[in-house]
Amino acid sequence: GAGVSQSPSNKVTEKGKDVELRCDPISGHTALYWYRQRLGQGLEFLIYFQGNSAPDKSGLPSDRFSAERTGESVSTLTIQRTQQEDSAVYLCASSPPAGDTQYFGPGTRLTVL
Amino acid sequence: KQEVTQIPAALSVPEGENLVLNCSFTDSAIYNLQWFRQDPGKGLTSLLLIQSSQREQTSGRLNASLDKSSGRSTLYIAASQPGDSATYLCASDQTGANNLFFGTGTRLTVIP
Repeated sequence: GAGVSQSPSNKVTEKGKDVELRCDPISGHTALYWYRQRLGQGLEFLIYFQGNSAPDKSGLPSDRFSAERTGESVSTLTIQRTQQEDSAVYLCASSPPAGDTQYFGPGTRLTVL
Repeated sequence: KQEVTQIPAALSVPEGENLVLNCSFTDSAIYNLQWFRQDPGKGLTSLLLIQSSQREQTSGRLNASLDKSSGRSTLYIAASQPGDSATYLCASDQTGANNLFFGTGTRLTVIP
């Protein structure tokens, strides 16, 4: 079946511009996660959606970062006024109800010039 | 805040060797410990998940162990193959909310 998909696969932007990254989770998965992976570093948790509950935004690094999710489907991660330190691979994952295993998408590589 | 460390950062072995990858974590109050592999340009693939009440999990040539008291987990790969070449990541889930804390990974190269 279809896995988690993310778009675009690569995004190059200029410092100060806003970007939107998209994640389509596996159908039926209630939980959705965003992570950031900077070069040479481990994955950092950003935000977590579970069903209709309020999202866990504890990992968002600044108020320039925000994310939305429509029901239990697509999610968008928005970064406003991008900075060079935002350059990273942004990974999305989803997991089924009552499941612990996360299924990851291929990521979006963001480069801020 | 949980800190997860993986040693070594990189490892090269000849095909057929057995090998062990190490993962250590500072907060032993974990809900579960997970191992993933990451291939270049691709997302993560879940390999094994060990619940806090378990000591090990096995899948094919892979065996993961968990020692909460010492804050350690190991991933054992038997009879390594070139297709095992990837970066292996361990991650701890502290609360069951699946908010994972990841290590920086071990990049494994299996030489044919």
